[in-house]
Amino acid sequence: AQSVTQLGSHVSVSEGALVLLRCNYSSSVPPYLFWYVQYPNQGLQLLLKYTTGATLVKGINGFEAEFKKSETSFHLTKPSAHMSDAAEYFCAVREYGNKLVFGAGTILRVKS
Amino acid sequence: DAGVIQSPRHEVTEMGQEVTLRCKPISGHNSLFWYRQTMMRGLELLIYFNNNVPIDDSGMPEDRFSAKMPNASFSTLKIQPSEPRDSAVYFCASSLQGQNPNYGYTFGSGTRLTVV
Repeated sequence: AQSVTQLGSHVSVSEGALVLLRCNYSSSVPPYLFWYVQYPNQGLQLLLKYTTGATLVKGINGFEAEFKKSETSFHLTKPSAHMSDAAEYFCAVREYGNKLVFGAGTILRVKS
Repeated sequence: DAGVIQSPRHEVTEMGQEVTLRCKPISGHNSLFWYRQTMMRGLELLIYFNNNVPIDDSGMPEDRFSAKMPNASFSTLKIQPSEPRDSAVYFCASSLQGQNPNYGYTFGSGTRLTVV
């Protein structure tokens, strides 16, 4: 079965600093990978996804992620953090049959 | 499109009572998922349906939990009897299933259940 590991349950950055949220996956087949964001008291919203093709994918709100097969990683980055980026972020891998398996989540705090 | 609609948004009930959570998926989506989110266990997939048929219910914690999807536009998750440890946020999500993996999930806003 596929699985997802998110390194760091909490990440704190200063406003304007680089955001880096780490995600590693395990999969015996080519993975489909996703990042979701959850704001307080809301559902999950899709940030970006990798399916096939270009390994650097761009999403909403200035986020991007790079699929690195050799490292089994799909880290999420944003060059300059904004206060509105404070939220919880989930990495997910799609299993066969359309089922998504989520990581434990990383809470991003942005300091002013 | 109004997105995935869940009701109620909040539910407070006493232990032992029956609780029913409702979900209306996005029109045209053929897969529906029920997730539970807690601080301790994160996001857990409880059950999912394809074309109204339950495909995988291995995440349903106990026989107290049951889910139905009588048609393409409605699903329920029922807990009977409810217990305090069932307190969580329950999310419904829908997707268009197929070979094309470009279809992600769309989540509802969730139902926050508190069992006292």
